[in-house]
Amino acid sequence: QSVLTQPPSASGTPGQRVTISCSGSSSNIGPNTVNWYQQLPGTAPKLLIYNNNQRPSGVPDRFSGSKSGTSASLAISGLQSEDEADYYCAAWDDSLNGPVFGGGTKLTVL
Amino acid sequence: EVQLVQSRAEVKKPGESLKISCKASGYSFISYWIGWVRQMPGKGLEWMGIIHPGDSDTTYSPSFQGQVIISADKSITTAYLQWSSLKASDTAMYYCARLGSTPNGWFDPWGQGTLVTVSS
Repeated sequence: QSVLTQPPSASGTPGQRVTISCSGSSSNIGPNTVNWYQQLPGTAPKLLIYNNNQRPSGVPDRFSGSKSGTSASLAISGLQSEDEADYYCAAWDDSLNGPVFGGGTKLTVL
Repeated sequence: EVQLVQSRAEVKKPGESLKISCKASGYSFISYWIGWVRQMPGKGLEWMGIIHPGDSDTTYSPSFQGQVIISADKSITTAYLQWSSLKASDTAMYYCARLGSTPNGWFDPWGQGTLVTVSS
């Protein structure tokens, strides 16, 4: 039972746009920024989006993030086969005094 | 280049102790928080705890408080995660990752992970 809630799976065909949701509460997403991580099979997680909607250098602009209230979303446009991975949202939790993660969403490119 | 390099995979028996490491390079080690994250086989990411190497200020997730010890040696820019008595349920991949100068930021970069297997 993760503190942040994500759908366990998502899918799309090449070129499509997919979104992954992340739901939190007034102690985490509400007052704090959201970050997203991509974990390709067999590798360590990698920062994908930080501060709700900022992309680190090297991350394609096909990836975008947004936040509203106690929820956030990751959008991937122009879906590619190499986007097949697990995606995790995360945010600081003021009650736990630490970072919390979503349970992860496995993205399949059909 | 900012880099975190973790120690190699370990195979241990229940009840044994273990200390794994995370060697940092390419930045001011004492200025950034470092966190440890567990990933059990086929499961998601779980925050275990964070440490500020400059003053060893440490915060543990309630789920891991009392189960592990997080430490850092600033003389060799290395953070550690240790167990005094391993259980089979500690079998997992463990990642270290750098946070910002304040802890409420994002993890970047991540170490490559250390696989810990506990089996009799």
